[in-house]
Amino acid sequence: QKEVEQNSGPLSVPEGAIASLNCTYSDRGSQSFFWYRQYSGKSPELIMSIYSNGDKEDGRFTAQLNKASQYVSLLIRDSQPSDSATYLCAVNRSGSSNTGKLIFGQGTTLQVKP
Amino acid sequence: GAGVSQSPSNKVTEKGKDVELRCDPISGHTALYWYRQSLGQGLEFLIYFQGNSAPDKSGLPSDRFSAERTGGSVSTLTIQRTQQEDSAVYLCASSFRVIDEQYFGPGTRLTVT
Repeated sequence: QKEVEQNSGPLSVPEGAIASLNCTYSDRGSQSFFWYRQYSGKSPELIMSIYSNGDKEDGRFTAQLNKASQYVSLLIRDSQPSDSATYLCAVNRSGSSNTGKLIFGQGTTLQVKP
Repeated sequence: GAGVSQSPSNKVTEKGKDVELRCDPISGHTALYWYRQSLGQGLEFLIYFQGNSAPDKSGLPSDRFSAERTGGSVSTLTIQRTQQEDSAVYLCASSFRVIDEQYFGPGTRLTVT
């Protein structure tokens, strides 16, 4: 079992729709969760961070965390063609064992069609 | 403010040569990380620095890889006797503290011929 799992996609949604990206993780000691967006040929760009159970909203983006189910998701409202990219889920342990090491999923490719 | 910078942006080298990759983190960030991204492996952690110390080197793939950080700022990743399997994009990231968000530089694309 991979430490961080994502559906590779591609996930295709029409412009203006809600895109839902999902991620599961295996280590219950994980306490910091991040979503990165990566355009082809570019480096990852941080979109959202979430540390507590529940929802966190930032503009068109909402991150959702459920530690009991070991599940984190990213919702993109009013999807735009410019949102087409690969979305990477990353997980970090906290506490005494924390070294800042991020474990990344393989990424989900999102295609937003005009 | 200025983000993480890396140089060179591209490096082509012959098998067996040594290469040095440089990372300049965001000013004030105490933590610095090196990752590698290749088609088959995704994005993988290499090494983490807190100040000039490297508490976690667990991701370095072999003893041909080494890294240092000086003055709590610039870091250099050195690969000795490069092999074709070292071809990848090498990414540097920094954060204010180890628990904070990490911001990536543009990466160095290394091609070993």
